[in-house]
Amino acid sequence: DIVMTQSPDSLAVSLGERATINCKSSQTVFFSSNNKNYLAWYQQKPGQPPKLLIYWASTRESGVPDRFSGSGSGTDFTLTISSLQAEDVAVYFCHQYYSLPQSFGQGTKLEIK
Amino acid sequence: EVHLLESGGGLVQPGGSLRLSCEASGFTLSTYTMRWVRQAPGKGLEWISGICGKDDTTSYADSVKGRFTVSRDNSKNTLYLQMNSLRVEDTALYYCGRAQGASCYSVVDHWGQGKLVTVSS
Repeated sequence: DIVMTQSPDSLAVSLGERATINCKSSQTVFFSSNNKNYLAWYQQKPGQPPKLLIYWASTRESGVPDRFSGSGSGTDFTLTISSLQAEDVAVYFCHQYYSLPQSFGQGTKLEIK
Repeated sequence: EVHLLESGGGLVQPGGSLRLSCEASGFTLSTYTMRWVRQAPGKGLEWISGICGKDDTTSYADSVKGRFTVSRDNSKNTLYLQMNSLRVEDTALYYCGRAQGASCYSVVDHWGQGKLVTVSS
């Protein structure tokens, strides 16, 4: 089974500053046949279901602001919020859909400093 | 517009059964991969089951294998999760999700609001 580990567990960033969340998988989630990383990022606010932000490690979902970006390949990935807004306060999860059982990181709680 | 409406949760005693339903609208359920994910109170997300759009292959997490069964009724455009032999540790908010396509390896891009299942004596 692939274990997803995020860092840090929590993060406080000033408004307008950059926020960076890391995710490491215990095995590669890169499929060479189609050159894709089966890695997604979700945002979850209290009382709401997860919201898809990024898939294929770096493809932004439709309607997601361009301050959100994803990078990385293989086993190491990063979600970056280039300029933190108040509405970005949430828990962020990375997710691998490369193999079964699918798995999520433990979550990173993002707050305003 | 894609919409997923879960129903059927509630309080059940350990060892009991419940069936969750996820009524889909705005798309044809049979042509998409669907998943169930749960979230224990104050905890993270746990994938528990899926059914592939292209071939109806089902899959389960070890934590629920042999106790939970995923199925769908295409005539009702509804996804189900039959949960038997429920345990206290199954207490969670259960979300159904629609993946981006029929592939067994596509990411979920739409979620229901979730249904709470509480297992307690």
